[in-house]
Amino acid sequence: AQSVTQPDIHITVSEGASLELRCNYSYGATPYLFWYVQSPGQGLQLLLKYFSGDTLVQGIKGFEAEFKRSQSSFNLRKPSVHWSDAAEYFCAGHNNAGNMLTFGGGTRLMVKP
Amino acid sequence: DAGVTQSPTHLIKTRGQHVTLRCSPISGHKSVSWYQQVLGQGPQFIFQYYEKEERGRGNFPDRFSARQFPNYSSELNVNALLLGDSALYLCASSSQTTSTGVATEAFFGQGTRLTVV
Repeated sequence: AQSVTQPDIHITVSEGASLELRCNYSYGATPYLFWYVQSPGQGLQLLLKYFSGDTLVQGIKGFEAEFKRSQSSFNLRKPSVHWSDAAEYFCAGHNNAGNMLTFGGGTRLMVKP
Repeated sequence: DAGVTQSPTHLIKTRGQHVTLRCSPISGHKSVSWYQQVLGQGPQFIFQYYEKEERGRGNFPDRFSARQFPNYSSELNVNALLLGDSALYLCASSSQTTSTGVATEAFFGQGTRLTVV
């Protein structure tokens, strides 16, 4: 079965520190992968996407993610976290069957001053 | 340009009632999908429509139904509401589905917060 897993439910980092949020996927073929961010009570904003090609993708707000086929991972990174980055982050994927996204359970990021 | 718009933003219903949620996709987008997000969880896929035809259905009971109109807007209907239907309902639009051979990303609206009491 297709699945996306985010192992970390909560992560706390200090402002200015680096960040890595983990995402693992299970698909028969290379999926299309996405990271979304959600502020409390709000919808989802797309941070970045991976369709094919270069395995390191750049997104908005200084985020990047690296697709690693050997590890079935698509981890999200940011070199220096800002207090405004505190939110819930969701990894999601879909395959050629359509745009029906499968989401991970989310990682809640808290930023310490 | 306007993004994906959903209405209403908040709704309170009583158990057993019926509810209709509405979504207008980004201009030019022909695909609309619906997701349910229960508090503390990731969104779960409910339906996808493309060019007014249902292209996918998630694991939800028949109380849930949807349709897409000629202008590509969409409605999600839920009958016989249960307490467990309380959630944030998200609509997403895409320019295509990958079943057309083109990969695209989904853009989400702000959601409708449904509370069933």
